[in-house]
Amino acid sequence: KQEVTQIPAALSVPEGENLVLNCSFTDSAIYNLQWFRQDPGKGLTSLLLIQSSQREQTSGRLNASLDKSSGRSTLYIAASQPGDSATYLCAVSGTGGSYIPTFGRGTSLIVHP
Amino acid sequence: DTGVSQDPRHKITKRGQNVTFRCDPISEHNRLYWYRQTLGQGPEFLTYFQNEAQLEKSRLLSDRFSAERPKGSFSTLEIQRTEQGDSAMYLCASSFGHPGETQYFGPGTRLLVL
Repeated sequence: KQEVTQIPAALSVPEGENLVLNCSFTDSAIYNLQWFRQDPGKGLTSLLLIQSSQREQTSGRLNASLDKSSGRSTLYIAASQPGDSATYLCAVSGTGGSYIPTFGRGTSLIVHP
Repeated sequence: DTGVSQDPRHKITKRGQNVTFRCDPISEHNRLYWYRQTLGQGPEFLTYFQNEAQLEKSRLLSDRFSAERPKGSFSTLEIQRTEQGDSAMYLCASSFGHPGETQYFGPGTRLLVL
């Protein structure tokens, strides 16, 4: 059974810092990995999707990398802003022939002015 | 395209009552998913439709839960004889194309069972 772990569980940083969120998964036979953002009491918004054949994806100040063989992904946020405050969730799909994503518990990020 | 919508956004009910939630996916999205999320956890998969066919159900979906997507458009999730442990956020998502493609999530329905 696929298990997804996210470290740290919570993070508080001052505005302007560059930061790294980590995601690890136990079964490397994945189809893709996604990073989502979730604001309190809201649904999820997809940030980046990395196919298993890819190493990284970039969108604006966000960069996600994937090392499938070691079962790791990182989400890099450059020049953090208070508006980045949210929970960031990692999800992998494709294990055992099912494309249903398995989610981690998320990293709760607070960026203070 | 207005995104995935869910109704109601909040529901408070007493233990033992039945509740029904509705999800309207993005138009022309053929896949629709239901998830449950409790505080501090990631979403957990409940069930999945391709068009009107229910293709996969999680073991989390006990016999008190039933989901339908009668015409391959909107979907309903019903919980019968609610229990306090059913209190959670119920999320709906939809997608199009390959099953591994990005899912677009609705705002969720927050259920509180007293």
